[in-house]
Order: sequence, then C-alpha cells, then structure tokens
Amino acid sequence: KAGVTQTPRYLIKTRGQQVTLSCSPISGHRSVSWYQQTPGQGLQFLFEYFSETQRNKGNFPGRFSGRQFSNSRSEMNVSTLELGDSALYLCASSWGDYNEQFFGPGTRLTVL
Amino acid sequence: LAKTTQPISMDSYEGQEVNITCSHNNIATNDYITWYQQFPSQGPRFIIQGYKTKVTNEVASLFIPADRKSSTLSLPRVSLSDTAVYYCLVGGSGNTGKLIFGQGTTLQVKP
Repeated sequence: KAGVTQTPRYLIKTRGQQVTLSCSPISGHRSVSWYQQTPGQGLQFLFEYFSETQRNKGNFPGRFSGRQFSNSRSEMNVSTLELGDSALYLCASSWGDYNEQFFGPGTRLTVL
Repeated sequence: LAKTTQPISMDSYEGQEVNITCSHNNIATNDYITWYQQFPSQGPRFIIQGYKTKVTNEVASLFIPADRKSSTLSLPRVSLSDTAVYYCLVGGSGNTGKLIFGQGTTLQVKP
C-alpha cells in the first residue's frame, strides 16, 4: 500500500507570496492532519480534516488554511508569506486510531 | 491533553539496550501513550502504543506502571540507524487527529 505523499518536496518563495501544498493520504484514510516543524518551535499541529470538514485547528493565524477533497486528498495554503513561515510542513493520515498517524516526507518551504 | 516530560538527549553504544522514560503526571483515564521516531528531514514514524502494563512489537517494548504517570520505551540492542528523535505523546483515542508533540529525546547511538 502506498504511503502518504506530499508535493512539492521543496519550495522557495519570497515574502508576501502565497503557497499551496498538497497531500495524498493512504488509500482508505479519511483523516488528514497538517503540522509545521521548525527548529525553534518543534512540531506544531496546524489543523485536521475529516470527510472534507475541518475538525480541529491549532493556534496559527488565518493566513494558514486548508481543505480536503472528496477523495481525502488535502491541500494547505499559506498566504502573505513571512520569513518565519520557513519550515518543514508535514501531512499525516489515519483511518481510525488517531494516535497512530502515518506521516509523509514533508514539504520543505523556504521563504526569502 | 496531558503534558509530557522526557530527557532532551541520550547517548548509547551499538548493541546496548536503551530505555527512554517519559513522565505524564496528568494522564487522563482514557489517554493512551504513544511513541514516535523521527529521522532528520523525515516525518515521524509510529513506533508503539499502550494503555497499561507492557506492550511489545518487533521494534520496541513499552512499559507502563500501574499508576500510568510515566512510561518507558525500551529499544533492544540499538544500532547506528536508531539515532533519531523519540517523542512520547499522551492522548485519548477520541481526540481526533490532533497530536501534541513535546521536545522529544534525541538519541545518539555511537559505534
């Protein structure tokens, strides 16, 4: 069974731009969660989608948004990029036991 | 969600058994204890999960005392490839897909 895939793997943007990251969960998984990882703040929860509905949200500004499609694929969008948004963005999917999540390889975003 | 405390770093040598202890004094009745492993520039990987007593799988063992206020991840005979960050998480199965990661324990395995 294929794992969680994320595209693109690397991205370079400049301040003020916006970016969209994509995540394809493991087939059959309906829950998709997004995390941001930085050296200073560690791994932080962004939001979770289940059956196209946002079910949980972390403490991030409204510039961070996401959505989930009917096939469970998910996208997250960051608008008006700031230097501090440079991070590894991780997507994880699960089917029922939400403590066991399967993470993708991440998208490394660099904001210049 | 219960807060966890674990050592920031640990060193070990190849072939040794490594035990990483996590404190979670405010664990709730329906909380499970889950451990993840993360290599640099990769997403975390689920290792093991337990509720009480002992759980063992092909990778590790998890020991949970009766009061459940702590847990110990045991890695038998570590190798260089076990060098990674290990995270202890506590939460209920009904808390949806929101995992709260602490600082983790950086394990360095030396030859």
